[in-house]
Amino acid sequence: SQQGEEDPQALSIQEGENATMNCSYKTSINNLQWYRQNSGRGLVHLILIRSNEREKHSGRLRVTLDTSKKSSSLLITASRAADTASYFCATDDYKLSFGAGTTVTVRA
Amino acid sequence: NAGVTQTPKFRVLKTGQSMTLLCAQDMNHEYMYWYRQDPGMGLRLIHYSVGEGTTAKGEVPDGYNVSRLKKQNFLLGLESAAPSQTSVYFCASSPRGSSDTQYFGPGTRLTVL
Repeated sequence: SQQGEEDPQALSIQEGENATMNCSYKTSINNLQWYRQNSGRGLVHLILIRSNEREKHSGRLRVTLDTSKKSSSLLITASRAADTASYFCATDDYKLSFGAGTTVTVRA
Repeated sequence: NAGVTQTPKFRVLKTGQSMTLLCAQDMNHEYMYWYRQDPGMGLRLIHYSVGEGTTAKGEVPDGYNVSRLKKQNFLLGLESAAPSQTSVYFCASSPRGSSDTQYFGPGTRLTVL
């Protein structure tokens, strides 16, 4: 069963704008990870945030985690065409469970 | 380093045929995983291995078997393919368990007619 659920399912933005997507989950976790998948490719790890962390940054990515609300958000700032991809959250209870993903399209 | 590689990239089978998907990693990772990805479903774990000679069932193991005879290889077998097994299959590896980053292969697109 999927632990994480991303919202929205799809997002279309203009180049230079910010993109925000959310992930909600049901049970306690050890950590939460975000992955990116370009069309027809495998998943690539973006960032891992542990359950005792509230915010983490990596380049243009900002991830927050609110364990009381069982939710996380991924913010991509100053988006580029190359950010067009599907983004997945994955929660770790005893195994990684992936959500269905958010498809982001960045328009030039 | 090649990372995680998968063979073949594409395959078309007829119902009832068998095949083996090969996953290889050159990062000396202990853990290896097989997932399937279907539209709107995200990734679902089929089987995984916590080390050479070990295998364990994931979320959707029925109709699949696996073997991990060598640390670097993880094989996924379909003994009698069914149309419901049409999917994209991804292999991944990680140094330790689920708390670690997973490194994914490029995927195998399988169609069962």
